[in-house]
Amino acid sequence: QQQVKQSPQSLIVQKGGIPIINCAYENTAFDYFPWYQQFPGKGPALLIAIRPDVSEKKEGRFTISFNKSAKQFSLHIMDSQPGDSATYFCAASTGGSEKLVFGKGTKLTVNP
Amino acid sequence: NAGVTQTPKFQVLKTGQSMTLQCAQDMNHEYMSWYRQDPGMGLRLIHYSVGAGITDQGEVPNGYNVSRSTTEDFPLRLLSAAPSQTSVYFCASRKGHGSSYEQYFGPGTRLTVT
Repeated sequence: QQQVKQSPQSLIVQKGGIPIINCAYENTAFDYFPWYQQFPGKGPALLIAIRPDVSEKKEGRFTISFNKSAKQFSLHIMDSQPGDSATYFCAASTGGSEKLVFGKGTKLTVNP
Repeated sequence: NAGVTQTPKFQVLKTGQSMTLQCAQDMNHEYMSWYRQDPGMGLRLIHYSVGAGITDQGEVPNGYNVSRSTTEDFPLRLLSAAPSQTSVYFCASRKGHGSSYEQYFGPGTRLTVT
């Protein structure tokens, strides 16, 4: 049973575009929702995270939107750049548990 | 700080061989975890530890053993390698309970089992 469903699998946008990656979860006990960015040959790195008490969080060009009733959250990248080309993973966990559940990832390509 | 380090970077094993993947962190983090990453599958938790002497199973623990004798080190042992264990393995660490939930990942070990 996949607890966090991520879409799309891949995404191609032009420089300056606003790619949006979506995730849906099933476990209503999840209370921590991070996004990780991974470049080829590297380990994932935390990009931005949100708790369910807020509906939106911005850090620079990256924004998480959170819809608790729909059990969905999404990542928006404003003014995307070729350097943003990477694989993005959403994830979820409960109460600071080590059991972080990941989505399957989205490969983003930003063309110059 | 070196952060989270993993050795080796690459390894090829024959079916049935055993080996240990090493992971160390110098950030004095309480929590450490092992994940495997397979194409199209995201990252899946193998085992984790919330402190020296304390380990627990994750989503895919079969075929792997762990121990945590020190805060710094968290080795992952493959007892009898199988082709299904071909994967990229990532170690991660974070501060303990009540602190930031951010996990810091190592650079990974790419393992091929033939």
